[in-house]
Amino acid sequence: QVQLKQSGPGLVQPSQSLSITCTVSGFSLTSYGVHWVRQSPGKGLEWLGVIWSGGSTDYNAAFISRLSISKDNSKSQVFFKMNSLQANDTAIYYCARKVRGAMDYWGQGTSVTVSS
Amino acid sequence: DIQMTQSPSSLSASLGERVSLTCRASQEISGYLSWLQQKPDGTIKRLIYAASTLDSGVPKRFSGSRSGSDYSLTISSLESEDFADYYCLQYASYPWTFGGGTKLEIK
Repeated sequence: QVQLKQSGPGLVQPSQSLSITCTVSGFSLTSYGVHWVRQSPGKGLEWLGVIWSGGSTDYNAAFISRLSISKDNSKSQVFFKMNSLQANDTAIYYCARKVRGAMDYWGQGTSVTVSS
Repeated sequence: DIQMTQSPSSLSASLGERVSLTCRASQEISGYLSWLQQKPDGTIKRLIYAASTLDSGVPKRFSGSRSGSDYSLTISSLESEDFADYYCLQYASYPWTFGGGTKLEIK
């Protein structure tokens, strides 16, 4: 069955970077893209960006200067990296499979706190 | 960016009751709207896409509709597992944007 499992740190120091890995199963990254979304109490759900099956990316303009999404098809892994984190980046970060109707299957979420 | 105004922000209802949630788009999204359900443990599930197409395995008591720029999610008869948070998502144009959410609680 389709699964997306996330792994990453729960605590990030201010000004440091956040890296999260989304490992997928039940489908191939050569056929499906993966979105990244975050959820915070202050801003609700925010779409961050997507990596298409072919490897191209689209980012939310608000994050484009500090966001990078890449993948390794052979390992079924998608890599999310955001730089220069501040307190207001504290959120739950999700990966989700890209389909015609937006996103169908979601990862379990990675809760990230930005604090020293 | 397209703003999605979701209402109500919270709703208290009883088992068996019929409820409707609404999202209004600030610009034309041509039916490119999805409804998501989030459980207290954070698990997110898509219920509907293309405004009215039910995802496989989603109970038929859920339905989606459109009237102009207003999009609605209706639950015809509430069951205990339906008490959760609901969000709309427009995917007509980047950046994709979400509604503020509706918290559906048991009365």
